[in-house]
Amino acid sequence: KAGVTQTPRYLIKTRGQQVTLSCSPISGHRSVSWYQQTPGQGLQFLFEYFSETQRNKGNFPGRFSGRQFSNSRSEMNVSTLELGDSALYLCASSIGTGYNEQFFGPGTRLTVL
Amino acid sequence: GQQVMQIPQYQHVQEGEDFTTYCNSSTTLSNIQWYKQRPGGHPVFLIQLVKSGEVKKQKRLTFQFGEAKKNSSLHITATQTTDVGTYFCAGNYGGSQGNLIFGKGTKLSVKP
Repeated sequence: KAGVTQTPRYLIKTRGQQVTLSCSPISGHRSVSWYQQTPGQGLQFLFEYFSETQRNKGNFPGRFSGRQFSNSRSEMNVSTLELGDSALYLCASSIGTGYNEQFFGPGTRLTVL
Repeated sequence: GQQVMQIPQYQHVQEGEDFTTYCNSSTTLSNIQWYKQRPGGHPVFLIQLVKSGEVKKQKRLTFQFGEAKKNSSLHITATQTTDVGTYFCAGNYGGSQGNLIFGKGTKLSVKP
């Protein structure tokens, strides 16, 4: 069974630009969560989607948004990029929402210059 | 807000020594999960603890969930170089997975 895939793996943007990251969950998984990982703040929850609906949202500004498609693939968008948005963005999928283990993708390394 | 504190931040051990990382929450958890992230890799699920006082073992790894479901620990016996990485606990406060709060992690290095 293929794992969680994320594209692109690396991205360099400049301040003010916007970016879209993509995540394809494991086949059959309907829940997709997004996390931001930085050395200082660790792993921080961005949002979770289940059956195309946002179930939960972390404490991030409105510049961070996401969506999920009917095939469970998910995208997250960051508008008006700031230097502090440089991070590893991880997507994780699980069978359902609730108490399930999460399977993480390799992440997208975003650098904002 | 809800927060999961994890200590220590770093641990350097000689191969063969034991290692323990601790997580603590100020409020009761529904369950707690543990993940391992190798250098340059992504977090990989290790285990989930749900019941009060639960103890689970995976070979040299022992996971405990406190009686009050507010703390947890991961103990590795006789560390090996393959144990190198960052160990994260992630507390679930109930309901959806969206309430999964990660600790800052403990970075383990093992000297051969």
